Amino acid sequence: GAGVSQSPRYKVAKRGQDVALRCDPISGHVSLFWYQQALGQGPEFLTYFQNEAQLDKSGLPSDRFFAERPEGSVSTLKIQRTQQEDSAVYLCASSPQGIGAETQYFGPGTRLLVL
Amino acid sequence: AQSVTQPDIHITVSEGASLELRCNYSYGATPYLFWYVQSPGQGLQLLLKYFSGDTLVQGIKGFEAEFKRSQSSFNLRKPSVHWSDAAEYFCAVGVSNNNDMRFGAGTRLTVKP
Repeated sequence: GAGVSQSPRYKVAKRGQDVALRCDPISGHVSLFWYQQALGQGPEFLTYFQNEAQLDKSGLPSDRFFAERPEGSVSTLKIQRTQQEDSAVYLCASSPQGIGAETQYFGPGTRLLVL
Repeated sequence: AQSVTQPDIHITVSEGASLELRCNYSYGATPYLFWYVQSPGQGLQLLLKYFSGDTLVQGIKGFEAEFKRSQSSFNLRKPSVHWSDAAEYFCAVGVSNNNDMRFGAGTRLTVKP
């Protein structure tokens, strides 16, 4: 079946521009996660949804970052007034149940470059 | 809070040689441990995971890992490396009461012909 998909795959933004990154999780998966992966680093947790509820947003680096999952399926990560330090790969993952530390299935990521 | 250390940034091995990638974690209770592989331009793919039980875990592509509580380690091994194994490898630790995973910084594997 289809895996996690993300769009766009690449995004170039001018500093100060707003961007929106989309994640389509595996159909029926309850949990959805966003991670930020800077160059040469491991992914860092940003936020977590269980269905439409955002249960943890402790990893969002500033109030310029906002995520939503209004119908419990597709999610959008929005970054307002982008800064150069926002340049990274943004990974989305989903998992079936949302219980315990079960396996997360990752999408290919969106590579964001802020000029 | 949990954390993960991968001491080796880059490892080079010859094709057919054995491989061990190191991972140390910090967490107060028994963690859930994962190894993921990331090829260029690809998402993370799960190789194997440890939740409980047998401390030697078998994964895909001939990989295995051993959980050693006394050393807080979860090293990844493969007896004979193939050129297609060249990639970035990430160790991660999760906790049971939420779905937050912490990743190490990764080890880049180069395979020499």
